[in-house]
Amino acid sequence: QVQLVESGGGVVQPGRSLRLSCAASGFTFSSHAMHWVRQAPGTGPEWVAVIAFDGSNRYYRDSVKGRFTISRDNSKNTIFLQMNSLRAEDTAVFYCAGGPLWAPEYWGQGALVIVSS
Amino acid sequence: QSALTQPASVSGSPGQSITISCTGTSSDVGSYDLVSWYQQYPGKAPKLMIYEVNKRPSGVPNRFSGSKSGDTASLTISGLQAEDDADYYCCSYGGSSIPYVFGTGTKVTVL
Repeated sequence: QVQLVESGGGVVQPGRSLRLSCAASGFTFSSHAMHWVRQAPGTGPEWVAVIAFDGSNRYYRDSVKGRFTISRDNSKNTIFLQMNSLRAEDTAVFYCAGGPLWAPEYWGQGALVIVSS
Repeated sequence: QSALTQPASVSGSPGQSITISCTGTSSDVGSYDLVSWYQQYPGKAPKLMIYEVNKRPSGVPNRFSGSKSGDTASLTISGLQAEDDADYYCCSYGGSSIPYVFGTGTKVTVL
């Protein structure tokens, strides 16, 4: 069955960096775009970034441009989110998501990122 | 890019039908048939219920249906069941600058 497993979350001070990983299995990972979506406590999901199936194109929401980088390693069925210059407002559960549809169908269980001094 | 607007809450009794609206603009919902709906239980990841306005992924009951008119999309749940008690979020393509825009969310309560 399809599985997406995020890792790398934790507590980090403002201005520091964190790298999230997401290992995928159960579907043809290398054929599909993959996303990071975050959800701050008590709020709805917020799309963060997407990477094309081959890594050729990447898009970000404005508030993370220049600070976050999405990447993928198709040989390891894994995507990454490098987060630099973290801010308190980046505190959220980060989900990786993807699949064959335009709308992300497969979701991980989420990784909690807390930015706090 | 602002979030799509949804009612904060909708309620209904078992067996009834409810409809959740999702209002965007001519730049997102009104311009593309790329509206999806997600169901989310507390502490769980969102689950895709509707994509491309009115299509259901495999395994989603046909009690769930989607539609769109102008800048507003809608999710209808017919024959409401206790397990439908959850949060629901719409999502639309927002253009090249922000490909995905989520709604503000609607809490569905089954009375």
